[in-house]
Amino acid sequence: DAGITQSPRHKVTETGTPVTLRCHQTENHRYMYWYRQDPGHGLRLIHYSYGVKDTDKGEVSDGYSVSRSKTEDFLLTLESATSSQTSVYFCAISAGIGTSGIGETQYFGPGTRLLVL
Amino acid sequence: QKEVEQDPGPLSVPEGAIVSLNCTYSNSAFQYFMWYRQYSRKGPELLMYTYSSGNKEDGRFTAQVDKSSKYISLFIRDSQPSDSATYLCAPKKGGNTPLVFGKGTRLSVIA
Repeated sequence: DAGITQSPRHKVTETGTPVTLRCHQTENHRYMYWYRQDPGHGLRLIHYSYGVKDTDKGEVSDGYSVSRSKTEDFLLTLESATSSQTSVYFCAISAGIGTSGIGETQYFGPGTRLLVL
Repeated sequence: QKEVEQDPGPLSVPEGAIVSLNCTYSNSAFQYFMWYRQYSRKGPELLMYTYSSGNKEDGRFTAQVDKSSKYISLFIRDSQPSDSATYLCAPKKGGNTPLVFGKGTRLSVIA
């Protein structure tokens, strides 16, 4: 358990409305990530953060923005939701690979299921 | 060509079978090779990892990487119904760089 929570866990919204998803971590990790998971595409990176107020785009960033005003919270915003943004959204943090000490990998939260009608 | 290719299956095997899951990748800069397991409606969880080429064994699971052919494998021995899940290969470069995921292979182990 990487101490990651996501809220809400489920959301139904209408096309054109703004939506904000929250990722909260309790272990002071510097790096945080947002992925989306869709059938036939696997997991794809949307945005990531390498510190408070430091963010960068991923593979599928169009239509999404992020903010990180505190180490523990990483917010993903859909400014005007579209049906193509119906997906499962996963937040992740970067931490050491088990107890190996050989590098870092990502550990995931439980996900948010978003349906845009 | 996608950076990571993985056959999505589905793959169905009888209990006790040996399962072989595979990925290919194109980016020679990848140094770490992860396998994640994802149960239905759950987040991915780290199952196995390998650094550079070679094998790594953990109980019934063996992860194998051949960097010369850019081929990643996960073997499951004596498969159990509890192994039924989606398995995602995910290589990465060093440091805190993001993972690059394959599409995942859905495995069903039938009792």
